[in-house]
Amino acid sequence: ELKVEQNPLFLSMQEGKNYTIYCNYSTTSDRLYWYRQDPGKSLESLFVLLSNGAVKQEGRLMASLDTKARLSTLHITAAVHDLSATYFCAVGTNAGKSTFGDGTTLTVKP
Amino acid sequence: GAGVSQSPSNKVTEKGKDVELRCDPISGHTALYWYRQSLGQGLEFLIYFQGNSAPDKSGLPSDRFSAERTGGSVSTLTIQRTQQEDSAVYLCASSLDLRGEAFFGQGTRLTVV
Repeated sequence: ELKVEQNPLFLSMQEGKNYTIYCNYSTTSDRLYWYRQDPGKSLESLFVLLSNGAVKQEGRLMASLDTKARLSTLHITAAVHDLSATYFCAVGTNAGKSTFGDGTTLTVKP
Repeated sequence: GAGVSQSPSNKVTEKGKDVELRCDPISGHTALYWYRQSLGQGLEFLIYFQGNSAPDKSGLPSDRFSAERTGGSVSTLTIQRTQQEDSAVYLCASSLDLRGEAFFGQGTRLTVV
């Protein structure tokens, strides 16, 4: 059974600081997804990582995938308040039947 | 439509009643998925449809749950004889195909009282 672990589960950061969220998974998988969820809202797709060594960046967020280590990271650079949200990674052979981590709730403080 | 549309957005029902949740996927998307998100938790896969293939129902938690997709477009998730533990946000998503990026609807918040 595929298990996906995120850490930390809660993260409080100051604006301008850098931090990394980790996503470990237990079995080989084709692809890894990162999503953002704002309170009371649905999920927004951030990144789809398809192969070992894949790196994708959008704004202050950068995601990478190491399939050998079964690890993905979401790096936040110079955090701003607008990045406050819950971030989920999900692993699976397709977008539909994915196993989600428990989410990392990020709070960026001024 | 422009995005995945779900209705109703909120549903309060009495324990033991049946409910139907509706999902309109993005036009042209062949894959459609249902997930459940309990308060403060991650998403739990329920079922997905891909084109005309038989749906993957492996995530449905009990035989009280069923889903259908008519004409390869709109999907309905039905929960019979609702229980309090069914209370959650039910999210629908669609993608061009199974390998594509998933776009989520706003969800239906179901409360069983």
